[in-house]
Amino acid sequence: DVKVTQSSRYLVKRTGEKVFLECVQDMDHENMFWYRQDPGLGLRLIYFSYDVKMKEKGDIPEGYSVSREKKERFSLILESASTNQTSMYLCASSFGGSGANVLTFGAGSRLTVL
Amino acid sequence: DQQVKQNSPSLSVQEGRISILNCDYTNSMFDYFLWYKKYPAEGPTFLISISSIKDKNEDGRFTVFLNKSAKHLSLHIVPSQPGDSAVYFCAASVYNAGNMLTFGGGTRLMVKP
Repeated sequence: DVKVTQSSRYLVKRTGEKVFLECVQDMDHENMFWYRQDPGLGLRLIYFSYDVKMKEKGDIPEGYSVSREKKERFSLILESASTNQTSMYLCASSFGGSGANVLTFGAGSRLTVL
Repeated sequence: DQQVKQNSPSLSVQEGRISILNCDYTNSMFDYFLWYKKYPAEGPTFLISISSIKDKNEDGRFTVFLNKSAKHLSLHIVPSQPGDSAVYFCAASVYNAGNMLTFGGGTRLMVKP
């Protein structure tokens, strides 16, 4: 059973703090993604990675960075958290290659920035 | 500007009846469409998909219809069950451009017993 694990389910941080969100997948997937989910806006892509040490900007990368040092791990970093980054963050992974492979999501990390 | 839109934020249906969830898209390059279901405190899970070479795909109680000329797809759930109560997201992609999905805003379905 494909598993995508997000280490922190709930976080509360203060404005200006550095925040790390960790994601690990156990199915040897090439692709990994970070989305944020906000009411009425659906899921918006922040960053994705199709290989170790590779990263691509999604639709809303501003204020975020990512790190992928190992194939199974993809981290989202908020260098200086702001209140408008309060959201649900969802990590996903999929096989690579051509075609459209189904994304498998983690359970999400709900971040509140005070 | 949202390229994938779900214009109904919520839908309430009686158990046993049909649920119809709608989705519109604007990007004519999209050629692969998916529906995901999300329960509270869980990640979205894949439900059903359709390629633009088809106009219908069926999987048990779930059927997705695609109208390319109208840039519209819909998800039919028959019969609806209380366990179907969740948020449903429509997503679109360009098939050979990797796995980047563009999601709609979601529709909350409530199936009343």
